[in-house]
Amino acid sequence: AQTIHQWPVAEIKAVGSPLSLGCTIKGKSSPNLYWYWQATGGTLQQLFYSITVGQVESVVQLNLSASRPKDDQFILSTEKLLLSHSGFYLCAWSPDWGQDTQYFGPGTRLLVL
Amino acid sequence: GDSVTQTEGLVTLTEGLPVMLNCTYQSTYSPFLFWYVQHLNEAPKLLLKSFTDNKRPEHQGFHATLHKSSSSFHLQKSSAQLSDSALYYCALSDGGYQNFYFGKGTSLTVIP
Repeated sequence: AQTIHQWPVAEIKAVGSPLSLGCTIKGKSSPNLYWYWQATGGTLQQLFYSITVGQVESVVQLNLSASRPKDDQFILSTEKLLLSHSGFYLCAWSPDWGQDTQYFGPGTRLLVL
Repeated sequence: GDSVTQTEGLVTLTEGLPVMLNCTYQSTYSPFLFWYVQHLNEAPKLLLKSFTDNKRPEHQGFHATLHKSSSSFHLQKSSAQLSDSALYYCALSDGGYQNFYFGKGTSLTVIP
């Protein structure tokens, strides 16, 4: 069975500080990977997707960047946090071909002060 | 561009009454439609996904029918349970694997 893990579980960071959030998928090779952001009380906004190692496409940047250094790893980062970055960050994966269902990780709660 | 519209931001129902949450969409392609459910402080989980044929997906008593003529994928359940209280998102995939579009979500509260 596939498992998806996100770290950290939660973060409190200062405005202007750097950020790195991680996501790992186990039990599935070559998954499609996605980052979503959810403001408190808001909808899910897709940020990035990746279909292979080293390749990431931006949907909405929000002064964030993403990388896929390994087949099973997806990283979301920024050098300078803004207050507007606060929210719930979700990583998701989907099978590589022919199916579109997304499976979400447990998420990381970020509070920027 | 593709989009999903969910009506009724907040819905409160008495236990035992039927549930219907509306979802309409716009898409250039023949999309896949999904319903996700998110309980408090948890990640969204897939509830239902549309089929390419006319089958009606069902899960945990919920069902939804894709009507291409009206671009709708409404979520229904015959009898609401207290445990159904959650945030429900309708979502659309353009048939590839890149872009997913989520509606604004409908918060369902079931009261005794």
